[in-house]
Amino acid sequence: QKEVEQNSGPLSVPEGAIASLNCTYSDRGSQSFFWYRQYSGKSPELIMSIYSNGDKEDGRFTAQLNKASQYVSLLIRDSQPSDSATYLCAVLILTGGGNKLTFGTGTQLKVEL
Amino acid sequence: DGGITQSPKYLFRKEGQNVTLSCEQNLNHDAMYWYRQDPGQGLRLIYYSQIVNDFQKGDIAEGYSVSREKKESFPLTVTSAQKNPTAFYLCASSRDRGYNEQFFGPGTRLTVL
Repeated sequence: QKEVEQNSGPLSVPEGAIASLNCTYSDRGSQSFFWYRQYSGKSPELIMSIYSNGDKEDGRFTAQLNKASQYVSLLIRDSQPSDSATYLCAVLILTGGGNKLTFGTGTQLKVEL
Repeated sequence: DGGITQSPKYLFRKEGQNVTLSCEQNLNHDAMYWYRQDPGQGLRLIYYSQIVNDFQKGDIAEGYSVSREKKESFPLTVTSAQKNPTAFYLCASSRDRGYNEQFFGPGTRLTVL
């Protein structure tokens, strides 16, 4: 089982719809969770951080965390073509050598006109 | 204007050559990281440093070396011992190696000729 798993997609949604991106993780001790957006050929950009169960909203983005079920999700409301990118889920995992940020392989989102 | 810079943006290496990738940050962050990204794979940690003059191996350190002589700088050398160095190399920094967010530089794309 991978430490952080995401559906690779592509996930296609029409403009104006809600895009829902999901991520599961294996380490129950994980405390910190992040979503990065990566445009093709560019570096990842941090868009959301979440540390406690529940929802966290920032503009059109909502991150949801459920530690009991070991999943974290990202909702994008009113999706725009500019949201088309790969979204990386990252989880801070405790290891013998300290904390390690582990990334999923990403979900490609396509917002269609 | 705070941020992380990486140079060069593109780098071509001949077989048997060592090359050094530059990473500089002016965010006053203690921790710095090097990742490698290959198509269809998540980011993989090469090396990290929590403080000046100290660094640790990540998951895929073989064939790479680093130094951390200044807080602002964390150069990565790709040696001839790295058998498959063609990849997108990303430098990141965080306030410390706790649960803080990591921020990425623009990346260096290395190609072996």
